[in-house]
Amino acid sequence: NAGVMQNPRHLVRRRGQEARLRCSPMKGHSHVYWYRQLPEEGLKFMVYLQKENIIDESGMPKERFSAEFPKEGPSILRIQQVVRGDSAAYFCASSPGTGFENTIYFGEGSWLTVV
Amino acid sequence: AQKITQTQPGMFVQEKEAVTLDCTYDTSDPSYGLFWYKQPSSGEMIFLIYQGSYDQQNATEGRYSLNFQKARKSANLVISASQLGDSAMYFCAMREVTGNQFYFGTGTSLTVIP
Repeated sequence: NAGVMQNPRHLVRRRGQEARLRCSPMKGHSHVYWYRQLPEEGLKFMVYLQKENIIDESGMPKERFSAEFPKEGPSILRIQQVVRGDSAAYFCASSPGTGFENTIYFGEGSWLTVV
Repeated sequence: AQKITQTQPGMFVQEKEAVTLDCTYDTSDPSYGLFWYKQPSSGEMIFLIYQGSYDQQNATEGRYSLNFQKARKSANLVISASQLGDSAMYFCAMREVTGNQFYFGTGTSLTVIP
């Protein structure tokens, strides 16, 4: 693990509740990405943020999902009124820059289960 | 069209043998980066190796090497001297000079047999 911290690791929510997933990027990284991994599938891009700005949210569902990366504190992925289909692993990643040569380093993931 | 294609859903390899995991990509960008990640059963995504589109040499990191064939748009991962701990899902990924995303393939599940 390259130092991206995600919490909680596991989260159980009932349908209709809210889920908040937190991500602190690696030290010195100001670019944060959120990906979702459904069971037995690869990672799907959701959103890319820099401090206080959403740069690309083309992979984010239009409703119920939001993300932020405030000036102070971790990035937050918020899912309102969760449904069973939201059950997945949510990965946060960070990178030092946007050049194509910049690797993104992942956190350990947050596993959301909606019951 | 898929940006990253991994055609091997599952692979088996004998311990201490070498194995190649296939990856082809699709881009019209002049510059791009190719990456491989490992996801063991514990779930975390571990960065393994990077290859830039302009790199003349194939990338190597310990027992991992990347067989980069630009004309064929392939970036296969070679693991030498497989170990039991190599059993995991392996994902190929690409980052273009334009855009903000990393594109991931669907992964290959590697099982190392003792």
